Amino acid sequence: DVKVTQSSRYLVKRTGEKVFLECVQDMDHENMFWYRQDPGLGLRLIYFSYDVKMKEKGDIPEGYSVSREKKERFSLILESASTNQTSMYLCASSVGTLTNEQFFGPGTRLTVL
Amino acid sequence: GDSVTQMEGPVTLSEEAFLTINCTYTATGYPSLFWYVQYPGEGLQLLLKATKADDKGSNKGFEATYRKETTSFHLEKGSVQVSDSAVYFCALSEGFKTIFGAGTRLFVKA
Repeated sequence: DVKVTQSSRYLVKRTGEKVFLECVQDMDHENMFWYRQDPGLGLRLIYFSYDVKMKEKGDIPEGYSVSREKKERFSLILESASTNQTSMYLCASSVGTLTNEQFFGPGTRLTVL
Repeated sequence: GDSVTQMEGPVTLSEEAFLTINCTYTATGYPSLFWYVQYPGEGLQLLLKATKADDKGSNKGFEATYRKETTSFHLEKGSVQVSDSAVYFCALSEGFKTIFGAGTRLFVKA
């Protein structure tokens, strides 16, 4: 079974802090994604990566950056957390073309106070 | 741009009732279509998919048919169980992106 793990299930940070969310997948997938999930809005793509050291902006990249130094790991960075970044963050991975099914981690619920 | 619209929830049904969750899409090309399910406290997992017009995806008693003429991909199940209580997301993939609907929460009562 594909396994996508995220470093924390729950995280509480203060405004202005730098926040790192880590995601690791164990199935050698080329593609990795970061989404945020908000009620009534579904999932919105923040960034994705189709190879090591490659990254592409999604629909809502403002206030976020990413890092992919190894194939299995994709990190989401909030340079200076703000209260409007309080959300559920989901990481996903997929193999092959970007239209293939995605495998999701359990999510990190981030609260910024 | 591409978009996915699915019926608002929550949907509340009794066990063994028939389920339909409507999903329509707009796309410029020929997307692949998916239904994902999210159980409480978990990430999304693929329920079924269809990659071209008239394809029917099916899994665990759920079905959906890719209807190009009506740009729809409605999810159906003949007899729901309490364990089907979850949030269901319709999604399309085209080019570099997957676009998700807002999700429909289903409650099934015993």
